[in-house]
Amino acid sequence: AQSVSQHNHHVILSEAASLELGCNYSYGGTVNLFWYVQYPGQHLQLLLKYFSGDPLVKGIKGFEAEFIKSKFSFNLRKPSVQWSDTAEYFCAVNPTGTASKLTFGTGTRLQVTL
Amino acid sequence: DGGITQSPKYLFRKEGQNVTLSCEQNLNHDAMYWYRQDPGQGLRLIYYSQIVNDFQKGDIAEGYSVSREKKESFPLTVTSAQKNPTAFYLCASSGLSDSSNQPQHFGDGTRLSIL
Repeated sequence: AQSVSQHNHHVILSEAASLELGCNYSYGGTVNLFWYVQYPGQHLQLLLKYFSGDPLVKGIKGFEAEFIKSKFSFNLRKPSVQWSDTAEYFCAVNPTGTASKLTFGTGTRLQVTL
Repeated sequence: DGGITQSPKYLFRKEGQNVTLSCEQNLNHDAMYWYRQDPGQGLRLIYYSQIVNDFQKGDIAEGYSVSREKKESFPLTVTSAQKNPTAFYLCASSGLSDSSNQPQHFGDGTRLSIL
């Protein structure tokens, strides 16, 4: 079975700082990768996704993630965070061809201070 | 507006009581899912359904039951056999049930607490 690790549980940054959240997965085959975000009081929503092609994917609100197959990683980045980026971020993975049965990481709580 | 509606938003259960959480979607999605979210543990899959009248256990199905009589509805029953039901429950749906690259859309969740 696949698993997902998010090593940063709680990250605190000042506005305009750069962000990188780690995500590593364990699975020997081809996978689809997702980052979801949960803003305070809101439902979980898709930030970006990788299925194939260019390993650098861009999502909403200036976020991007890079799939590095050799490292089994899919780290989330943003050059300059804003206070409104305060949220919980979840990395998720599913092997290709297994419907949309996702395995989620434990999440990273990002707090951006003014 | 298309989306997923979960009700109620807050639910309280007495010991030994079964409760049912509602999930309705008007996105015409084939697949629907139930997750449980606990602090520090992320989301864990309880049950999922790819088509009407069919569903499969997820990673933590014990103490839960589901039904899928209609495409748009996927209710979750938390039975008295679930010893630690206090959690935040999220329902999701996705299109094209046989395609693994369809992102899931989530409802606002139901917070269940034990009295």
